[in-house]
Amino acid sequence: GESVGLHLPTLSVQEGDNSIINCAYSNSASDYFIWYKQESGKGPQFIIDIRSNMDKRQGQRVTVLLNKTVKHLSLQIAATQPGDSAVYFCAEFSDFPAGGTSYGKLTFGQGTILTVHP
Amino acid sequence: NAGVTQTPKFRILKIGQSMTLQCTQDMNHNYMYWYRQDPGMGLKLIYYSVGAGITDKGEVPNGYNVSRSTTEDFPLRLELAAPSQTSVYFCASSTGQGYGANVLTFGAGSRLTVL
Repeated sequence: GESVGLHLPTLSVQEGDNSIINCAYSNSASDYFIWYKQESGKGPQFIIDIRSNMDKRQGQRVTVLLNKTVKHLSLQIAATQPGDSAVYFCAEFSDFPAGGTSYGKLTFGQGTILTVHP
Repeated sequence: NAGVTQTPKFRILKIGQSMTLQCTQDMNHNYMYWYRQDPGMGLKLIYYSVGAGITDKGEVPNGYNVSRSTTEDFPLRLELAAPSQTSVYFCASSTGQGYGANVLTFGAGSRLTVL
């Protein structure tokens, strides 16, 4: 059978708590980062992005922090709700010249499973 | 506005069979991508396209082929299915230009099992 989630980090929180999901990226040349949310049985959905010339960006109930010194990205979710339960992926963007075209390559992290308990 | 549509949602193949996963988008996006997602893992890029008639390999292209005859469609073909190709396949698209150029819109996924 499937072993979905066997290798993914997990985070369990109570409804109303704040959640912090961490991500370490690998390429110091990456200049753009995106957080995606993937609910069970669905494709990833865009949450928030940040460029490398920024340290912090806020959206609705979400904040992304970028620490380029240690190549670390975090997603903070305020007042977490049961509907926030999902797998969260960070993705880093870097140039990937290939085949004569310059492709901006998105590399996805492994993901973190967030479970919100009512 | 349907976004990115993938078919089929589920498929079981025998070893050595071939099939095509269909992907179409109605957002007039230039860039399209195929990813695979193995259990407990992130997404790996199989192939991508920057426009009609232009395709190129991603990280894990072996065993797959693609074509891009129109802006809307980007089918992924498996010629000789192997158990290692059991995975969930996601098609995605992006504008490729301007702010948000690299924000991908994903389809719902196609779950493929090779026995």
